[in-house]
Amino acid sequence: QQPVQSPQAVILREGEDAVINCSSSKALYSVHWYRQKHGEAPVFLMILLKGGEQKGHEKISASFNEKKQQSSLYLTASQLSYSGTYFCGTEIIAAGNKLTFGGGTRVLVKP
Amino acid sequence: AAGVIQSPRHLIKEKRETATLKCYPIPRHDTVYWYQQGPGQDPQFLISFYEKMQSDKGSIPDRFSAQQFSDYHSELNMSSLELGDSALYFCASSFRGLDQPQHFGDGTRLSIL
Repeated sequence: QQPVQSPQAVILREGEDAVINCSSSKALYSVHWYRQKHGEAPVFLMILLKGGEQKGHEKISASFNEKKQQSSLYLTASQLSYSGTYFCGTEIIAAGNKLTFGGGTRVLVKP
Repeated sequence: AAGVIQSPRHLIKEKRETATLKCYPIPRHDTVYWYQQGPGQDPQFLISFYEKMQSDKGSIPDRFSAQQFSDYHSELNMSSLELGDSALYFCASSFRGLDQPQHFGDGTRLSIL
């Protein structure tokens, strides 16, 4: 039931782009994206609802492909502050509001 | 803006002891969630409450219980603590609804000696 995230880790140079994928075997109502820095709370980035929409927050954007039950998070022109672990949290249709998180993708942005 | 407040931030206990973690949600949020995050792991959903009633249950051990009070704060009670209970415990709150973001508190780091 846990969504699968890929890649598990990525190292970027400042200014480079990256894509993080989150796939589920269940029919999803929504996908939530969070960034967590070591020892801190997960910070909410954005929600993607079924319907295949795209959203953006500064240079971080995401899409949701309802056919594939997959969401992708795009880090564009990465900044040092983008470093952290990115988690997708999925809400399954008819399973309530609880989030099931993927295993996380560790992102390290180097100068 | 007010955030989710958790206390204590750190807690050290010994095996077989009990612990109580507290969570104060963002004002007007009607739903509270508890998550457990082990070292290097993703957050695991434990339990949630909507309007002071338990609304969903995840992988919460029988040794743990939780409740939400009339002022909407929530407490997670943990008994017969085991070494494996050492983790970060997060509380999150949101408005009810499948499209509502959950906002996390800073967590309680529980260490079992």
